[in-house]
Amino acid sequence: EAQVTQNPRYLITVTGKKLTVTCSQNMNHEYMSWYRQDPGLGLRQIYYSMNVEVTDKGDVPEGYKVSRKEKRNFPLILESPSPNQTSLYFCASRQGINTGELFFGEGSRLTVL
Amino acid sequence: SQKIEQNSEALNIQEGKTATLTCNYTNYSPAYLQWYRQDPGRGPVFLLLIRENEKEKRKERLKVTFDTTLKQSLFHITASQPADSATYLCALDRNYGQNFVFGPGTRLSVLP
Repeated sequence: EAQVTQNPRYLITVTGKKLTVTCSQNMNHEYMSWYRQDPGLGLRQIYYSMNVEVTDKGDVPEGYKVSRKEKRNFPLILESPSPNQTSLYFCASRQGINTGELFFGEGSRLTVL
Repeated sequence: SQKIEQNSEALNIQEGKTATLTCNYTNYSPAYLQWYRQDPGRGPVFLLLIRENEKEKRKERLKVTFDTTLKQSLFHITASQPADSATYLCALDRNYGQNFVFGPGTRLSVLP
């Protein structure tokens, strides 16, 4: 089954404790992206990757890091989480730059105390 | 400044009626526009894509129009059903498809 898998789905952590949210897709997609979703603000892009070793900032990259060492994986790293990073995070992928449809994961709800 | 807006935060309609959702944008020149459905606690699911040179696209009970002069897309669900209740998001491509910007969404409730 074609899917985008995120882990963990739920996480409560404390300020400053580094964490990684993993994202994996099994569709051999070139493009992957991370979004956060907050009430009243909608989905905002954090980082995206056009292919292996190619990443770029989205609209709200501050406080986040990403890497793309393999085509299927695109982890989101919070080096020193802060309460304003409490949010619902989505990973998404698509075949390539000229194919529009995004496939989303089920989301990771993160709470930073 | 760039902005993308959806007509209302919430829309209630009676079962069987046509739901019409609006997406307006300013200071973007998208090559295409997409509509997604999102259920509570789930990831968005792709519904339709319409390109700048297309006026209208249909898929079963769904219809999307795209007017690049008005900078507006309309999303219609005909013969609506309670199962259509969800939040609907429009999304524009930016930078020749390198990334996307999403609207805030409209929460549709279809009442039996």
